[in-house]
Amino acid sequence: AQSVTQLDSQVPVFEEAPVELRCNYSSSVSVYLFWYVQYPNQGLQLLLKYLSGSTLVKGINGFEAEFNKSQTSFHLRKPSVHISDTAEYFCAVSASGTYKYIFGTGTRLKVLA
Amino acid sequence: DVKVTQSSRYLVKRTGEKVFLECVQDMDHENMFWYRQDPGLGLRLIYFSYDVKMKEKGDIPEGYSVSREKKERFSLILESASTNQTSMYLCASSSLSGGSYNEQFFGPGTRLTVL
Repeated sequence: AQSVTQLDSQVPVFEEAPVELRCNYSSSVSVYLFWYVQYPNQGLQLLLKYLSGSTLVKGINGFEAEFNKSQTSFHLRKPSVHISDTAEYFCAVSASGTYKYIFGTGTRLKVLA
Repeated sequence: DVKVTQSSRYLVKRTGEKVFLECVQDMDHENMFWYRQDPGLGLRLIYFSYDVKMKEKGDIPEGYSVSREKKERFSLILESASTNQTSMYLCASSSLSGGSYNEQFFGPGTRLTVL
């Protein structure tokens, strides 16, 4: 079975500062990893995904994440955040060859002016 | 543009009522999912379907049922709504082929309040 841990429930950061949202997972099999963003009163939108290949994955809106197999982590980073990045961010894991996701509990990013 | 639509954005029902939440996708996806989202708990899978008339229980199926009579439509049914089913309900769909392999596409959600 897989599990996902997002240790930070809320992350406040000032505009134009860098940010890292942490995600750790556990699994006994190979996994696919995803980051989704949810803006207020909306559904979830894919930011980026890791299926295989390069461990550094670039996504939309300037976000990137690095898959670290030895540390079982998939942290999300952005070098300079904007007010419009204020949203909730979810990490998800899916075992290879399946279509079910396990979601983390989410991290609420609040960008301050 | 790919799309998942849900029949209502907001819904208010009374305890004991039978509630239907409808989801439609236009991407010809094989897989469809129903989640509920609660603060601090993230998204939890209620049911999923990998083909027409096929369904499997997720992590929290109690009090819910589903129906998938057509490939594009997946319905969530609350047989007798209770106050602890007040939540945000999200529908998603995905395919195991093509460029968007295993990516789940989400609808805007239905915020259900049971009084």
